[in-house]
Amino acid sequence: SQQGEEDPQALSIQEGENATMNCSYKTSINNLQWYRQNSGRGLVHLILIRSNEREKHSGRLRVTLDTSKKSSSLLITASRAADTASYFCATDWIQGAQKLVFGQGTRLTINP
Amino acid sequence: GAVVSQHPSWVICKSGTSVKIECRSLDFQATTMFWYRQFPKQSLMLMATSNEGSKATYEQGVEKDKFLINHASLTLSTLTVTSAHPEDSSFYICSARALTGADEKLFFGSGTQLSVL
Repeated sequence: SQQGEEDPQALSIQEGENATMNCSYKTSINNLQWYRQNSGRGLVHLILIRSNEREKHSGRLRVTLDTSKKSSSLLITASRAADTASYFCATDWIQGAQKLVFGQGTRLTINP
Repeated sequence: GAVVSQHPSWVICKSGTSVKIECRSLDFQATTMFWYRQFPKQSLMLMATSNEGSKATYEQGVEKDKFLINHASLTLSTLTVTSAHPEDSSFYICSARALTGADEKLFFGSGTQLSVL
């Protein structure tokens, strides 16, 4: 399966703390993307990091990519209650068709 | 960013009936759309890739006669769940590929919660 794996599956922290989620995948990729999903809703694109990039920032988000370990991390700094959601990484792999494969997701809960 | 509209947001139907879900790209043309299925607290599972003007490509294990996909225009793809059964109850999400700058990104509809009684 090409599907990525994320850990932890669930994370609960206090507002203001930083949240870190990890994603691992299995084969070579073109890029890796992170999405957020609020309960019962569609997905919102957060950030894309290309295979030749190692780190990327967007506001309070910081994404790293280690292609040698086939892993990525998403860091949310100074978390807010509104960050409560599920976070998914998605990869498109070079050998296959141009389609995204999603990891299992991390359910993040920010406690006020 | 690009907007994808999905309707209906939720639907309840009787077992044996068919349900149609629409996915529209509102401000861009989408030659390719994707249909996903998601069970509670689980990830998105790709069901099929919908290509405008041609037959959809289904993932392994997805019954193409059960889940009919039509992509008749560059802005509309439909998924019809035929002869729905309770095990088809799930959250269905569509997405459309759009080129933003140098990158292709997926933009998602808000999903359809299907409950089959």
